[in-house]
Amino acid sequence: DIVMTQTPLSSPVTLGQPASISCRSSQSLVHSDGNTYLSWLQQRPGQPPRLLIYKISNRFSGVPDRFSGSGAGTDFTLKISGVEAEDVGIYYCTQATQFPYTFGQGTKLEIK
Amino acid sequence: QVQLVQSGAEVKKPGASVKVSCKASGYTFTTYDIHWVRQATGQGLEWMGWMNPHSGNTGYAQKFQGRVTMTRDTSISTAYMELSSLRSEDTAVYYCTRSPYPSDYWGQGALVTVSS
Repeated sequence: DIVMTQTPLSSPVTLGQPASISCRSSQSLVHSDGNTYLSWLQQRPGQPPRLLIYKISNRFSGVPDRFSGSGAGTDFTLKISGVEAEDVGIYYCTQATQFPYTFGQGTKLEIK
Repeated sequence: QVQLVQSGAEVKKPGASVKVSCKASGYTFTTYDIHWVRQATGQGLEWMGWMNPHSGNTGYAQKFQGRVTMTRDTSISTAYMELSSLRSEDTAVYYCTRSPYPSDYWGQGALVTVSS
Protein backbone atom coordinates (compact mmCIF):
# COMPACT_ATOMS: atom_id res chain seq x y z
CA ASP A 1 0.00 0.00 0.00
CA ILE A 2 1.12 3.58 -0.64
CA VAL A 3 1.84 5.34 2.64
CA MET A 4 1.01 9.04 2.76
CA THR A 5 2.89 11.10 5.34
CA GLN A 6 1.79 14.62 6.20
CA THR A 7 3.72 17.29 8.05
CA PRO A 8 3.07 19.03 10.29
CA LEU A 9 0.29 17.21 12.12
CA SER A 10 -0.75 20.44 13.79
CA SER A 11 -0.43 23.96 12.49
CA PRO A 12 -1.36 26.98 14.62
CA VAL A 13 -1.59 29.99 12.34
CA THR A 14 -2.34 33.67 12.86
CA LEU A 15 -5.31 34.98 10.89
CA GLY A 16 -4.18 36.45 7.61
CA GLN A 17 -0.87 34.62 7.66
CA PRO A 18 0.06 31.85 5.18
CA ALA A 19 -0.01 28.16 5.98
CA SER A 20 1.64 25.23 4.28
CA ILE A 21 1.10 21.49 4.60
CA SER A 22 3.39 18.89 3.13
CA CYS A 23 2.42 15.42 1.93
CA ARG A 24 4.92 12.76 0.92
CA SER A 25 4.04 9.41 -0.64
CA SER A 26 6.03 6.21 -0.24
CA GLN A 27 6.10 5.77 -4.03
CA SER A 28 5.46 7.85 -7.09
CA LEU A 29 1.85 8.85 -7.63
CA VAL A 30 2.22 9.15 -11.39
CA HIS A 31 -0.38 6.85 -12.92
CA SER A 32 0.22 4.85 -16.11
CA ASP A 33 -2.16 7.27 -17.84
CA GLY A 34 0.24 10.15 -17.06
CA ASN A 35 -1.94 11.78 -14.42
CA THR A 36 -1.02 12.19 -10.78
CA TYR A 37 -4.04 11.49 -8.61
CA LEU A 38 -3.15 13.46 -5.53
CA SER A 39 -5.93 15.44 -3.90
CA TRP A 40 -6.48 17.56 -0.82
CA LEU A 41 -9.57 17.45 1.35
CA GLN A 42 -10.74 19.70 4.16
CA GLN A 43 -12.85 18.37 7.01
CA ARG A 44 -14.60 20.62 9.46
CA PRO A 45 -15.84 19.19 12.78
CA GLY A 46 -18.90 17.01 12.37
CA GLN A 47 -18.84 17.29 8.59
CA PRO A 48 -17.88 14.94 5.77
CA PRO A 49 -14.72 15.86 3.88
CA ARG A 50 -14.79 18.57 1.25
CA LEU A 51 -12.72 18.41 -1.93
CA LEU A 52 -10.32 21.35 -2.28
CA ILE A 53 -7.69 20.32 -4.83
CA TYR A 54 -7.47 17.42 -7.30
CA LYS A 55 -4.66 16.16 -9.52
CA ILE A 56 -2.05 18.10 -7.55
CA SER A 57 -3.06 21.65 -8.37
CA ASN A 58 -6.61 21.87 -9.75
CA ARG A 59 -8.88 23.86 -7.49
CA PHE A 60 -12.37 22.37 -7.24
CA SER A 61 -15.34 24.54 -8.14
CA GLY A 62 -16.11 27.15 -5.49
CA VAL A 63 -12.83 26.73 -3.61
CA PRO A 64 -11.29 30.13 -2.78
CA ASP A 65 -8.16 30.99 -4.70
CA ARG A 66 -6.17 31.38 -1.48
CA PHE A 67 -5.86 27.56 -1.64
CA SER A 68 -3.24 26.20 -3.99
CA GLY A 69 -1.58 22.87 -4.55
CA SER A 70 1.79 21.98 -6.02
CA GLY A 71 4.29 19.19 -6.28
CA ALA A 72 5.21 16.17 -8.33
CA GLY A 73 6.13 12.51 -8.01
CA THR A 74 6.19 11.89 -4.28
CA ASP A 75 6.24 15.38 -2.74
CA PHE A 76 3.24 17.65 -2.59
CA THR A 77 2.21 20.83 -0.83
CA LEU A 78 -1.03 22.59 0.02
CA LYS A 79 -0.71 26.31 0.63
CA ILE A 80 -3.19 28.77 2.04
CA SER A 81 -2.08 32.29 1.15
CA GLY A 82 -3.85 34.00 4.04
CA VAL A 83 -5.70 31.92 6.61
CA GLU A 84 -9.26 32.87 7.43
CA ALA A 85 -11.32 31.75 10.42
CA GLU A 86 -13.42 29.42 8.25
CA ASP A 87 -10.29 27.47 7.26
CA VAL A 88 -10.07 25.83 10.68
CA GLY A 89 -10.31 22.07 10.33
CA ILE A 90 -8.32 19.00 9.40
CA TYR A 91 -6.66 18.71 6.02
CA TYR A 92 -5.96 15.37 4.36
CA CYS A 93 -4.00 14.46 1.30
CA THR A 94 -5.19 11.36 -0.51
CA GLN A 95 -3.98 9.32 -3.45
CA ALA A 96 -6.14 7.62 -6.05
CA THR A 97 -3.33 6.36 -8.26
CA GLN A 98 -3.21 2.84 -6.88
CA PHE A 99 -5.60 0.60 -4.96
CA PRO A 100 -6.10 0.70 -2.07
CA TYR A 101 -6.59 4.43 -2.02
CA THR A 102 -4.90 5.91 1.02
CA PHE A 103 -4.90 9.08 3.09
CA GLY A 104 -2.39 11.05 5.05
CA GLN A 105 -2.85 11.20 8.82
CA GLY A 106 -4.40 14.64 8.63
CA THR A 107 -3.11 18.08 9.62
CA LYS A 108 -5.10 20.10 12.13
CA LEU A 109 -5.18 23.77 11.23
CA GLU A 110 -6.04 26.05 14.12
CA ILE A 111 -5.92 29.75 14.79
CA LYS A 112 -3.33 31.09 17.22
CA GLN B 1 -28.66 18.65 -7.10
CA VAL B 2 -26.57 15.58 -6.33
CA GLN B 3 -27.30 14.09 -2.93
CA LEU B 4 -26.16 10.98 -1.10
CA VAL B 5 -28.35 10.22 1.91
CA GLN B 6 -27.23 7.50 4.28
CA SER B 7 -29.12 5.40 6.79
CA GLY B 8 -29.07 6.21 10.47
CA ALA B 9 -26.86 5.30 13.38
CA GLU B 10 -26.59 1.67 14.45
CA VAL B 11 -25.48 -0.09 17.60
CA LYS B 12 -24.26 -3.65 17.16
CA LYS B 13 -22.77 -6.34 19.35
CA PRO B 14 -19.37 -7.83 18.62
CA GLY B 15 -19.64 -10.57 16.02
CA ALA B 16 -22.75 -9.12 14.43
CA SER B 17 -23.12 -7.55 10.97
CA VAL B 18 -24.23 -4.10 9.91
CA LYS B 19 -25.61 -2.91 6.59
CA VAL B 20 -25.39 0.80 5.78
CA SER B 21 -27.34 2.26 2.87
CA CYS B 22 -26.56 5.23 0.64
CA LYS B 23 -29.41 6.60 -1.48
CA ALA B 24 -28.37 8.66 -4.48
CA SER B 25 -30.39 11.36 -6.17
CA GLY B 26 -29.85 14.17 -8.64
CA TYR B 27 -27.92 12.09 -11.17
CA THR B 28 -28.03 8.75 -12.97
CA PHE B 29 -27.05 6.27 -10.26
CA THR B 30 -25.42 3.75 -12.59
CA THR B 31 -23.06 6.30 -14.13
CA TYR B 32 -20.67 6.80 -11.21
CA ASP B 33 -18.87 4.40 -8.88
CA ILE B 34 -19.64 4.52 -5.18
CA HIS B 35 -16.76 4.41 -2.69
CA TRP B 36 -16.92 3.78 1.05
CA VAL B 37 -14.65 5.53 3.55
CA ARG B 38 -14.73 5.20 7.30
CA GLN B 39 -13.48 7.33 10.18
CA ALA B 40 -13.09 6.16 13.75
CA THR B 41 -13.86 8.82 16.35
CA GLY B 42 -11.08 11.36 16.44
CA GLN B 43 -9.12 9.45 13.83
CA GLY B 44 -8.27 9.80 10.17
CA LEU B 45 -9.97 8.59 7.01
CA GLU B 46 -9.76 5.02 5.74
CA TRP B 47 -10.82 3.88 2.27
CA MET B 48 -12.70 0.58 2.30
CA GLY B 49 -13.57 -0.14 -1.31
CA TRP B 50 -15.66 0.72 -4.35
CA MET B 51 -18.57 -0.57 -6.37
CA ASN B 52 -19.69 0.04 -9.92
CA PRO B 53 -23.49 0.39 -9.70
CA HIS B 54 -23.96 -0.50 -13.35
CA SER B 55 -22.09 -3.81 -13.37
CA GLY B 56 -22.02 -4.57 -9.67
CA ASN B 57 -18.26 -5.02 -9.85
CA THR B 58 -16.45 -4.31 -6.61
CA GLY B 59 -12.97 -3.82 -5.24
CA TYR B 60 -12.13 -4.00 -1.57
CA ALA B 61 -9.14 -2.97 0.49
CA GLN B 62 -7.33 -6.12 1.57
CA LYS B 63 -7.88 -5.20 5.20
CA PHE B 64 -11.63 -5.73 4.74
CA GLN B 65 -11.56 -8.66 2.30
CA GLY B 66 -13.84 -11.42 3.51
CA ARG B 67 -15.75 -9.12 5.87
CA VAL B 68 -17.17 -6.42 3.60
CA THR B 69 -19.75 -6.71 0.84
CA MET B 70 -20.84 -3.80 -1.34
CA THR B 71 -24.06 -4.18 -3.28
CA ARG B 72 -26.71 -2.03 -4.89
CA ASP B 73 -30.37 -1.87 -5.84
CA THR B 74 -30.56 0.13 -9.04
CA SER B 75 -34.38 0.28 -8.89
CA ILE B 76 -34.10 2.62 -5.89
CA SER B 77 -30.66 4.14 -6.65
CA THR B 78 -29.24 2.82 -3.43
CA ALA B 79 -25.84 1.39 -2.58
CA TYR B 80 -25.15 -0.78 0.44
CA MET B 81 -22.09 -1.62 2.48
CA GLU B 82 -22.31 -4.63 4.77
CA LEU B 83 -19.57 -5.35 7.29
CA SER B 84 -19.60 -8.62 9.20
CA SER B 85 -17.86 -10.09 12.24
CA LEU B 86 -17.89 -6.68 13.84
CA ARG B 87 -15.39 -5.82 16.55
CA SER B 88 -14.92 -2.76 18.73
CA GLU B 89 -12.32 -1.36 16.31
CA ASP B 90 -15.06 -1.10 13.66
CA THR B 91 -16.77 1.64 15.65
CA ALA B 92 -16.68 4.54 13.21
CA VAL B 93 -18.59 6.87 10.95
CA TYR B 94 -19.05 5.25 7.55
CA TYR B 95 -19.29 7.56 4.53
CA CYS B 96 -20.30 6.85 0.97
CA THR B 97 -18.90 9.09 -1.75
CA ARG B 98 -19.19 9.20 -5.48
CA SER B 99 -16.62 9.05 -8.22
CA PRO B 100 -14.64 10.58 -9.72
CA TYR B 101 -12.79 9.89 -6.48
CA PRO B 102 -12.35 11.91 -4.45
CA SER B 103 -15.43 13.91 -5.17
CA ASP B 104 -17.24 16.68 -3.41
CA TYR B 105 -20.30 14.46 -3.07
CA TRP B 106 -20.40 12.64 0.22
CA GLY B 107 -23.13 11.16 2.33
CA GLN B 108 -23.70 12.66 5.75
CA GLY B 109 -22.11 9.63 7.39
CA ALA B 110 -23.57 6.77 9.43
CA LEU B 111 -22.23 6.10 12.93
CA VAL B 112 -21.81 2.42 13.68
CA THR B 113 -21.07 1.61 17.31
CA VAL B 114 -19.89 -1.87 18.24
CA SER B 115 -20.35 -2.55 21.91
CA SER B 116 -21.31 -5.45 24.12
